[in-house]
Amino acid sequence: QSVLTQPPSASGTPGQRVTISCSGSSSNIGSNSVNWYQQLPGTAPKLLVYSNNQRPSGVPDRFSGSESGTSASLAISGLQSEDEADYYCAAWDDSPNAYVFGTGTRVTVL
Amino acid sequence: EVQLVESGGGLVQPGGSLRLSCAASGFTFSSYEINWVRQAPGKGLEWVSYISSRGRTIYYADSVKGRFTISRDNAKNSLYLQMNSLRAEDTAVYYCARGHLSNGWTFDYWGQGTLVTVSS
Repeated sequence: QSVLTQPPSASGTPGQRVTISCSGSSSNIGSNSVNWYQQLPGTAPKLLVYSNNQRPSGVPDRFSGSESGTSASLAISGLQSEDEADYYCAAWDDSPNAYVFGTGTRVTVL
Repeated sequence: EVQLVESGGGLVQPGGSLRLSCAASGFTFSSYEINWVRQAPGKGLEWVSYISSRGRTIYYADSVKGRFTISRDNAKNSLYLQMNSLRAEDTAVYYCARGHLSNGWTFDYWGQGTLVTVSS
């Protein structure tokens, strides 16, 4: 059972802004940085945002991350059809010394 | 080009064993921390195990502790996962994922995965 909670789904029309939340605790998000991964249908996950708000090279600036206290968020602005995917937050958890993923959010482009 | 290629998956009976491999290329394998992450059919991602660049530090998820063993051979650019006492709930696609050089808990490259099915 994941200790990082995400909404199961989110949706928007092309061009809209969509925000995904990730709720944790003081032992994970509250004390360690958050990463976000994108998993397109039938493919392996891909690093989307690291260290709360940094984008790897090649990731469009439409994707942005933020963190506050024990929660984090991923925003997708200018939503595009190719953004339809599952999105997972993740962080190291000091107790019980494990890496934890969020429950995942499926983004649908209407 | 960084590549991680998993192999060794398949069908195994409950209680059985399986050894997964992950062949790395396109980077200096011995400098990087590596992880195993799994995904049960239709479910989310679950971190399984971590090994430091020289293999001196290892972590396991509670769900596999005592049953799975992670190891690496830097001379062969390979990572392994020995899985014993397999259970139905271990059925999943298993991915190897490279840790970023500056933060081993940022998985910057992933393999395509290998499917493990535990069933009688």
